[in-house]
Amino acid sequence: GAVVSQHPSRVICKSGTSVKIECRSLDFQATTMFWYRQFPKQSLMLMATSNEGSKATYEQGVEKDKFLINHASLTLSTLTVTSAHPEDSSFYICSASRQPEGNQPQHFGDGTRLSIL
Amino acid sequence: AQKITQTQPGMFVQEKEAVTLDCTYDTSDPSYGLFWYKQPSSGEMIFLIYQGSYDQQNATEGRYSLNFQKARKSANLVISASQLGDSAMYFCAMREGLQGAQKLVFGQGTRLTINP
Repeated sequence: GAVVSQHPSRVICKSGTSVKIECRSLDFQATTMFWYRQFPKQSLMLMATSNEGSKATYEQGVEKDKFLINHASLTLSTLTVTSAHPEDSSFYICSASRQPEGNQPQHFGDGTRLSIL
Repeated sequence: AQKITQTQPGMFVQEKEAVTLDCTYDTSDPSYGLFWYKQPSSGEMIFLIYQGSYDQQNATEGRYSLNFQKARKSANLVISASQLGDSAMYFCAMREGLQGAQKLVFGQGTRLTINP
């Protein structure tokens, strides 16, 4: 069964709306989670590393104020797309892995398809 | 420089045939892990197989095997006896280092289509 849950799976909203996406690890604690973005027919690109109890680490070119990340507990990280515009429409997907990682894979949520009208 | 390279944008294979999906990587870290994920049209990322840099033997998981050639820095995925349900995007990914949680870097992906 799924070990990482992501919600919602699909969002359609008007331009200017803020959208919150949740990522939960279901049967393990995740001090670190990752947020990726995927445009159609492209690969996954890391947006940021979410760290429990501290600030997220953003990849170069990703706007911190646009994509707010909160990792308030060991099982929940949230990504908020603030004042979303059509260019923010994309597939967002989170991942987490059990510790110690070793040969453990990163488990992914099912992703969120965000469409901004 | 690209850390993970998948040179096959698309592959078409007849059902029941074996298929090899190519992946080369670039790293100077002696400790790393290589992963293959399958992404069907619904979008979820399904973990298939893992190969660690210190593993002596090629990884196998059911119909999936990883042809790990360390000197060539390649980690090709082999799918035996392909099935219609294998049609999907396939991503090769690398994780560098063994300390703590490490991000994955993905290749561009290969779209595999299995023909009946």
